[in-house]
Amino acid sequence: AQTVTQSQPEMSVQEAETVTLSCTYDTSESNYYLFWYKQPPSRQMILVIRQEAYKQQNATENRFSVNFQKAAKSFSLKISDSQLGDTAMYFCAFMTMYSGYALNFGKGTSLLVTP
Amino acid sequence: DAGVTQSPTHLIKTRGQQVTLRCSPISGHKSVSWYQQVLGQGPQFIFQYYEKEERGRGNFPDRFSARQFPNYSSELNVNALLLGDSALYLCASRSGQVNEKLFFGSGTQLSVL
Repeated sequence: AQTVTQSQPEMSVQEAETVTLSCTYDTSESNYYLFWYKQPPSRQMILVIRQEAYKQQNATENRFSVNFQKAAKSFSLKISDSQLGDTAMYFCAFMTMYSGYALNFGKGTSLLVTP
Repeated sequence: DAGVTQSPTHLIKTRGQQVTLRCSPISGHKSVSWYQQVLGQGPQFIFQYYEKEERGRGNFPDRFSARQFPNYSSELNVNALLLGDSALYLCASRSGQVNEKLFFGSGTQLSVL
């Protein structure tokens, strides 16, 4: 079975602080892609960051970075200098050739950034 | 350039009815996927089309069907609606290569009464 687990249903962080969202996944494939998506109240899914499993270097996009631990099947998202606009649902997802390259999402973490 | 557009934005149906949701991909994108997002859950994969052919299907009953047209737009049809079909239906497109970025629309919110 290919599953994604996000163990933190809700999180809160103060503006300008750093927060880490957790994600673990399970797949027997060796080649896959990992993603973090953001879904604000507008409901549109927005790609935050992407990681190819064959790359050892952790992906970084401005204030967003990941900690990819392949052996542990862990893929956490770190948001630095949190901003009010970061308030949203965050979904961890992966895709593999086995899944036909369809995205397999976790249940999400609701992040609230407070002033 | 316009992003992925979906219509209608909201829809209310009653049990047993049929519904058609529409999606226009980003210009030049040949692959379209459909996802169902039930309240409080992450999206679940329904269908994937590339060059008008079905390339993948999620674990959904035969009441769900889809097609892709020559202009790469797509329709998702759901027959014999159940209360449990109430959800946000998301369409996503990409150029074609599986490692290309997937762009999502804002979805169609379907309510079944």
